[in-house]
Amino acid sequence: DTGVSQNPRHKITKRGQNVTFRCDPISEHNRLYWYRQTLGQGPEFLTYFQNEAQLEKSRLLSDRFSAERPKGSFSTLEIQRTEQGDSAMYLCASSLAGGVEAFFGQGTRLTVV
Amino acid sequence: DQQVKQNSPSLSVQEGRISILNCDYTNSMFDYFLWYKKYPAEGPTFLISISSIKDKNEDGRFTVFLNKSAKHLSLHIVPSQPGDSAVYFCAASPLSGNTPLVFGKGTRLSVIA
Repeated sequence: DTGVSQNPRHKITKRGQNVTFRCDPISEHNRLYWYRQTLGQGPEFLTYFQNEAQLEKSRLLSDRFSAERPKGSFSTLEIQRTEQGDSAMYLCASSLAGGVEAFFGQGTRLTVV
Repeated sequence: DQQVKQNSPSLSVQEGRISILNCDYTNSMFDYFLWYKKYPAEGPTFLISISSIKDKNEDGRFTVFLNKSAKHLSLHIVPSQPGDSAVYFCAASPLSGNTPLVFGKGTRLSVIA
């Protein structure tokens, strides 16, 4: 399978715990995006990378959110001290630099209890 | 501030008839427009796109129309099939793909057999 892969698919965590999600993009894609989707809303942009450089992070929802792409391949999104409002689908997408179409993974569904 | 608006949360269409999904945008810097389809518990899947230099793009049963002066685009599906039942997101990209996609809230299409 050469598509975008996200792990885990589902995560249930207690409020206050830290969680980390992983995204493996399509191998030749140098851009990687993180989005969040809540019920009844479209995907909301959080941050993106070109290779290992994080080009935009001002849309991360708070300083509890951080993302890395250390070797320009896979990426991780970490949420510290989770809150119930963090419950959402977290989507990763990848594209070629300058490419319009982004390819999405299946997402990670986070539930904070 | 919603830069991409899908004002119809849902649409029901009979199998075999035409489905028309609408999208409006406010940012005149948008150059490319895309439609994504999303099934429950899956990530969005790219469907069709259009550049601002065109007013129509067709791919099989799917056609996207762009009216730049009205800042409006629409997706036509003819004939509609039950497998088309999904949430459809309109997305836009400023500066020809060099910045992340901006999504609308989506329209849930139900095709009734």
